[in-house]
Amino acid sequence: DAMVIQNPRYQVTQFGKPVTLSCSQTLNHNVMYWYQQKSSQAPKLLFHYYDKDFNNEADTPDNFQSRRPNTSFCFLDIRSPGLGDAAMYLCATSRERGQGYEQYFGPGTRLTVT
Amino acid sequence: QKEVEQNSGPLSVPEGAIASLNCTYSDRGSQSFFWYRQYSGKSPELIMFIYSNGDKEDGRFTAQLNKASQYVSLLIRDSQPSDSATYLCAVKKNSGYSTLTFGKGTMLLVSP
Repeated sequence: DAMVIQNPRYQVTQFGKPVTLSCSQTLNHNVMYWYQQKSSQAPKLLFHYYDKDFNNEADTPDNFQSRRPNTSFCFLDIRSPGLGDAAMYLCATSRERGQGYEQYFGPGTRLTVT
Repeated sequence: QKEVEQNSGPLSVPEGAIASLNCTYSDRGSQSFFWYRQYSGKSPELIMFIYSNGDKEDGRFTAQLNKASQYVSLLIRDSQPSDSATYLCAVKKNSGYSTLTFGKGTMLLVSP
């Protein structure tokens, strides 16, 4: 089945220790998104790739970076995690960016910072 | 005014009843509207999307859109305990590349 896969599902890192989260998709969608979701809050868009074109949200901290080496894979790098970065990180994809294209989410990675 | 507003709930309904979830949005130019279901600790799952004014039905779910009043709703008929979850409303604003803006979600509790 075509799907969005995230690894690992659970990640524990130490304060200040870099961490990388992975997302892959078999849907062959052009757009990949990274969201951060904290408890009882709405998912917050961090950035997205339209093909190889990177689009950062204005309020995404510099501590967060992303890479998309090919259509199928996208990575979220957190350079120096703080306690406030503990959250669920969601990867999503859509075929195109315009109106009328729905987004599909992966299972998420729960990040704990100790 | 928040961009996408939902009552946080919880909305409690008995099994078999109709659950009605509401969402209002601020950008009058928005054109695409989505409902996601999110179980505790899980990722959002797309349930319905609607682009035109009126009703759209899919099984037990009906999405209703009223662009003039800037609201979108989700009706769940014959509610089941397995429907207990948080329902997120998401809107694509009428911007250049149309990313999604989510509401905080409404928690639905269906009691047996």
